[in-house]
Amino acid sequence: GAGVSQSPSNKVTEKGKDVELRCDPISGHTALYWYRQSLGQGLEFLIYFQGNSAPDKSGLPSDRFSAERTGGSVSTLTIQRTQQEDSAVYLCASSPGQAFYGYTFGSGTRLTVV
Amino acid sequence: AQSVSQHNHHVILSEAASLELGCNYSYGGTVNLFWYVQYPGQHLQLLLKYFSGDPLVKGIKGFEAEFIKSKFSFNLRKPSVQWSDTAEYFCAFLRGGSYIPTFGRGTSLIVHP
Repeated sequence: GAGVSQSPSNKVTEKGKDVELRCDPISGHTALYWYRQSLGQGLEFLIYFQGNSAPDKSGLPSDRFSAERTGGSVSTLTIQRTQQEDSAVYLCASSPGQAFYGYTFGSGTRLTVV
Repeated sequence: AQSVSQHNHHVILSEAASLELGCNYSYGGTVNLFWYVQYPGQHLQLLLKYFSGDPLVKGIKGFEAEFIKSKFSFNLRKPSVQWSDTAEYFCAFLRGGSYIPTFGRGTSLIVHP
């Protein structure tokens, strides 16, 4: 596609439920990032995928968070047993693998845990 | 730990006023620097970037930023803002050898017509 696509755009879930957020990066982009944007907190790095290499999971806040990237393309971020503090906008970005070209962001998934 | 500081969290200006948004990073080595903008209801978009060479970088929509290594700063400027510049602005840096950019907390700019 022309841009990074994220779905759903909005998700309301009950505390304790699991959620899956999807990211479809730009075709050919080898690098994929997940960030979390909370009100007034800026962008918090969660996880980074580069090609077929093992992901950098250093930003995941707890073991309730996990992510995978299938076939070097689509990525899914899973949050298990959601808590109210997980409420945020989850952003996905991709890049050709060289930082010089910058990062293209999707529109995000707004997650609300009630 | 490396970090980025954006000193102004909220800025309110009238149209035609000049703009300068501060950005400081904490890392002593080689860095790459970015400014991103997020217009209301839209996704983050790249405004400009610095990798090497001329420390004065020009971006889209009349924005520019100057990399001052001695001050660890990369402030964003625009001589005359427009109502359409109302948005959230994020500074980001990438230390040499890293692949994960660090973003600041953002500055909310409101421009009154």
